[in-house]
Formats: sequence, C-alpha cells, structure tokens
Amino acid sequence: KAGVTQTPRYLIKTRGQQVTLSCSPISGHRSVSWYQQTPGQGLQFLFEYFSETQRNKGNFPGRFSGRQFSNSRSEMNVSTLELGDSALYLCASSLGGTADLETQYFGPGTRLLVL
Amino acid sequence: GQQLNQSPQSMFIQEGEDVSMNCTSSSIFNTWLWYKQEPGEGPVLLIALYKAGELTSNGRLTAQFGITRKDSFLNISASIPSDVGIYFCAGLYSGGGADGLTFGKGTHLIIQP
Repeated sequence: KAGVTQTPRYLIKTRGQQVTLSCSPISGHRSVSWYQQTPGQGLQFLFEYFSETQRNKGNFPGRFSGRQFSNSRSEMNVSTLELGDSALYLCASSLGGTADLETQYFGPGTRLLVL
Repeated sequence: GQQLNQSPQSMFIQEGEDVSMNCTSSSIFNTWLWYKQEPGEGPVLLIALYKAGELTSNGRLTAQFGITRKDSFLNISASIPSDVGIYFCAGLYSGGGADGLTFGKGTHLIIQP
C-alpha cells in the first residue's frame, strides 16, 4: 500500500509570496493532519481535516490555512510568507477515529525555504 | 500550552552501547508515543504507551510510561548503525484530538562505528 505522499518536496519562496503544499493520504485514510517542524520549535500541530472539515486547529496565525477534498487529499496554504515560515511541513494521515493518533503515518515532508 | 522537555538533545555513542533518553512534562498525559525520524523522511512510530507504569518493548527498544504520567523513557540496547536518527517523544491529551499531541524537540542519536 502506498504511503503518504507530499508535493513538492522542496520549495524556495521569497517574503510576501504565498505557497500551497499538497498531501495525498494513504488510501482509505480520511484524516489528514499538518505539522510544522523547525529546529527551534520542533514539531508543532497546524490543523487536522476529516471528511473535508477542519476538526482541530493549532495555534498558528490565520495566514496558515488548509482544506481537504472529497478524495481526502489535502492542501495547506501559507500567505504573505515570512522568513520564520522556513520549515519542514509534514502531513500525516490516519483512518480518522477520534483516538487513533498513534496510528498516524507521516509523509516525507515539504521543505520550504523563505528568502 | 503544554511543554515537553526531551533530553539529551544529542548523543554520540559507540556501536554496541546502550542508549537512554527521556521526556518530562509539566502536565499529565494519558498516552505517550515514541517516534524515529531519519533524514528526508517523516517520523515513524516506534512504541505507544497507554497506562502509567507500562513497560513496552519493540525489539531492542524498550519504553516506559512514568508512574506520575508526566514522564516517559526510551532505551535502545546494543545500538547499531541503523539506529542513527532523531527520536521524538509525544504526549497525548485525554481529548484525543490532534491538537492534543505535543512533541518533544528530539534527541539526535549519532553512532560511531
């Protein structure tokens, strides 16, 4: 069974631009979560989508948004990029039950560099 | 918000040595998770712990859920080169939602042959 895929794997943007990252979950998984990983802050939860609805949200500014499509694929968007947005963005998928976070499978991430 | 202190930040060890790392929290969790991340990959779940005092093994890896529910430990015995990577702990709130998953900042394990 194919794993979680994320595209693109690497991205370079400049301040003020916006970016859209894509995540395709494991077939049959309906929950997709997004995380930001930086050396200073570690892994931080951005948001989770289930059945095209945002089910949980972390403490990130409104510049960070996401959506999920009917096939469970998800995108996240960051508008008005700042230097501090440089990070590895990870998505993780799971079947979607309320207590199955321990069965999340992570993708390889998209490394975003903001210049 | 929740704070997870993971230590040590990095470890330089010889192949064959045992490794210990731990995470402590200011608050109680009801689930502890341990992940490993290799370069260019996302974290992979190693061990999940659900009860205070629980000791669980996965091959050469052994993890424990602290009795106070505020800490967890991971041990790796007889380390081998493929153990290299970053090990993360994560604690989960009772609510179970993804926003309840808090990660430590990782322990970088480097093994010298």
